[in-house]
Amino acid sequence: KNEVEQSPQNLTAQEGEFITINCSYSVGISALHWLQQHPGGGIVSLFMLSSGKKKHGRLIATINIQEKHSSLHITASHPRDSAVYICAVWTSGSRLTFGEGTQLTVNP
Amino acid sequence: KAGVTQTPRYLIKTRGQQVTLSCSPISGHRSVSWYQQTPGQGLQFLFEYFSETQRNKGNFPGRFSGRQFSNSRSEMNVSTLELGDSALYLCASSFNQGNTEAFFGQGTRLTVV
Repeated sequence: KNEVEQSPQNLTAQEGEFITINCSYSVGISALHWLQQHPGGGIVSLFMLSSGKKKHGRLIATINIQEKHSSLHITASHPRDSAVYICAVWTSGSRLTFGEGTQLTVNP
Repeated sequence: KAGVTQTPRYLIKTRGQQVTLSCSPISGHRSVSWYQQTPGQGLQFLFEYFSETQRNKGNFPGRFSGRQFSNSRSEMNVSTLELGDSALYLCASSFNQGNTEAFFGQGTRLTVV
């Protein structure tokens, strides 16, 4: 079993829909990243959080440390949100451990 | 402020050759980490450098090595390339070790033929 599990693996939505991507982890962490990767490879950090909730534009990330669970929400989704979303956690020392990613496709 | 710069962006090498990849972190960032991304294995941690010292290492063979210079720029070297080394190699910089926001470069796509 992977230390970081994401669901769903693939998600297709219509423009305007509310989207939720989930991340569960089984190890102790100091913080959690939500990352976005577009075709071509570059990775962008969307959020880093260790408690509570953060919001940036149409994106909201929450984390529940006790339940070892985080969610990424996208409100009013748009085709430009189509990308792979990756959950990553800071575990022991200074390494990031990654989930397998969620491929999101938003259709117009 | 300039982001994380990786060079080259694309590279084609032959089995048995060696390759060196470069990563220039964001100015002021002292930690540089390297990751390998393949379709089958996803993103995997290679190693992390902080203040010119390797602080953490992933589960990769000794053919994978790296170093960090006094200006925090880092290089990664892979010797005796194998077909399975074909991957996207990403570096990330952060101000400190762990638990600080990581900023990723665009990656170097290595193809071994």
